[in-house]
Amino acid sequence: DAMVIQNPRYQVTQFGKPVTLSCSQTLNHNVMYWYQQKSSQAPKLLFHYYDKDFNNEADTPDNFQSRRPNTSFCFLDIRSPGLGDAAMYLCATSRGRSLYNEQFFGPGTRLTVL
Amino acid sequence: ILNVEQSPQSLHVQEGDSTNFTCSFPSSNFYALHWYRWETAKSPEALFVMTLNGDEKKKGQISATLNTKEGYSYLYIKGSQPEDSATYLCALPNTSGTYKYIFGTGTRLKVLA
Repeated sequence: DAMVIQNPRYQVTQFGKPVTLSCSQTLNHNVMYWYQQKSSQAPKLLFHYYDKDFNNEADTPDNFQSRRPNTSFCFLDIRSPGLGDAAMYLCATSRGRSLYNEQFFGPGTRLTVL
Repeated sequence: ILNVEQSPQSLHVQEGDSTNFTCSFPSSNFYALHWYRWETAKSPEALFVMTLNGDEKKKGQISATLNTKEGYSYLYIKGSQPEDSATYLCALPNTSGTYKYIFGTGTRLKVLA
């Protein structure tokens, strides 16, 4: 059964055209994360939510925004995508704040910017 | 910011070969280390959570060890199969034991039939 779902799997957008990526979970986990992974690089945390408490990473560009309307859904909005934003975007969840809790990932959305 | 390094970046092995790769991290302020396997077109999935120096964990033919004093963890695959082909990622919590994780760049394993 799918537990963390990301839609779409592939997204093509034009330079400067806003795009929204979505993530949903059936695990009822408190924490949801968004990661960006560029080719051959490590996944990089953009932001995360603990319930409705939003935590932005200091080096996440202002161009990236997120919404979590309820426990199950989380969205990543890219207001004006640039060529450098082409990447794989991974959503993950975890139960609570314990460092021993594994993260559950979605399959990712691969974003192409033309 | 925590520096997590994985080596090698990629490797090819023949079916039936055993292999291992490394995740290195600063030995100070260690809290936990997570290993994930990421098969192409699928979701990364958790393999192990390592917490104590000397930890050794096993799942099928895959095992992992942890040395927090010298700052490394090894992942071993015994008798590799084509289905073991994946990228293996390690991740550690950032400073101060927060639940924000720093990932390595991964080791991409290809098992040739």
